[in-house]
Amino acid sequence: EDQVTQSPEALRLQEGESSSLNCSYTVSGLRGLFWYRQDPGKGPEFLFTLYSAGEEKEKERLKATLTKKESFLHITAPKPEDSATYLCAARALNAGNNRKLIWGLGTSLAVNP
Amino acid sequence: EAQVTQNPRYLITVTGKKLTVTCSQNMNHEYMSWYRQDPGLGLRQIYYSMNVEVTDKGDVPEGYKVSRKEKRNFPLILESPSPNQTSLYFCASSPTGSVGYTFGSGTRLTVV
Repeated sequence: EDQVTQSPEALRLQEGESSSLNCSYTVSGLRGLFWYRQDPGKGPEFLFTLYSAGEEKEKERLKATLTKKESFLHITAPKPEDSATYLCAARALNAGNNRKLIWGLGTSLAVNP
Repeated sequence: EAQVTQNPRYLITVTGKKLTVTCSQNMNHEYMSWYRQDPGLGLRQIYYSMNVEVTDKGDVPEGYKVSRKEKRNFPLILESPSPNQTSLYFCASSPTGSVGYTFGSGTRLTVV
């Protein structure tokens, strides 16, 4: 069964303390690994798509990487405004017309000033 | 501004009273989806649409209906809401479904 698991469930960092969030996936033929940021009570905001192992993408303090089994979202020198829930989702080869995404439950990140 | 607009943002209703949540996108996207988000269950797809007049069920379609008569609009209809449909609902759109989705701000629905 296709599955996406994120860890940790929650993470609290001090401002400037770098860390990584993990997204492990088990899908039949990955066709895209997506990262989103979600603020409380708001819709997810698209961050990155990764398509193949070894690929990396960066945006400000965030860098996403992909291996054959997992993806990491590295946060360098985080600021309080980086506090949010980070979601990852995978699209499998057999997603069909739906282009269905398999979602993880997210990592809730809190950055203290 | 490119966006997905949902209305209303908050809605409290009673069991059995039909309601519609509207969704509109201004990006000429072909793919649109409705999701519900519940604690511990994450985002679950209700219905999706690949284009005008083309819709299909997602993972949790029971109790919901959709229509896609125009490319920009994708309303979600609850014909007889029940308390287990209390949730946070999101509409999303994508150019092709293969790239990242743009989400609306959400509709928090409470059915009493």
